Amino acid sequence: EPEVTQTPSHQVTQMGQEVILRCVPISNHLYFYWYRQILGQKVEFLVSFYNNEISEKSEIFDDQFSVERPDGSNFTLKIRSTKLEDSAMYFCASSPGPERAYEQYFGPGTRLTVT
Amino acid sequence: GQSLEQPSEVTAVEGAIVQINCTYQTSGFYGLSWYQQHDGGAPTFLSYNALDGLEETGRFSSFLSRSDSYGYLLLQELQMKDSASYFCALPSGYSTLTFGKGTMLLVSP
Repeated sequence: EPEVTQTPSHQVTQMGQEVILRCVPISNHLYFYWYRQILGQKVEFLVSFYNNEISEKSEIFDDQFSVERPDGSNFTLKIRSTKLEDSAMYFCASSPGPERAYEQYFGPGTRLTVT
Repeated sequence: GQSLEQPSEVTAVEGAIVQINCTYQTSGFYGLSWYQQHDGGAPTFLSYNALDGLEETGRFSSFLSRSDSYGYLLLQELQMKDSASYFCALPSGYSTLTFGKGTMLLVSP
């Protein structure tokens, strides 16, 4: 069964450093998303991406964040200058199409620890 | 904006039936989804209701009442592996999901 994959599974970085989180969505899906989940809290929407551009973004997704689909398979989230409060689990997700945003398939996540 | 309320924790025993409630507020309604998340794992899609009534998927069922802005997830024949967090979520148009804070289900022998 196709699945979303994410690398790395765990990333430790120092405050102020740039990190890139990588995702490979399910191949025939059209919508891609990033979410974050701070330990013990709810899953929070960051950004959605469709047709090579950002579709929607939340207030969390400020100028420190950017997304890119550098090729036909990868989808990346870049944090330019990490802060302590960026420590969280970051999930990538994909969905088959715009009419099925209710049904998203999540990757296993990247745990980001900022020290 | 959107908001969802669900209980923080529910406990039940193996073989029992449990209901996890969710009330919501939203300016535009596109349905109500349910996701399961085991500790440290990825959220997994369980069910979706766009219209009033009950949707059944094996041991899991989900119900929606749009007039009451209310839904629930019903888990039957509980198993130990059902111990997890369950989130109701509101799709917003085509491209976002707003999650509730989650209900931790603890299933005991």
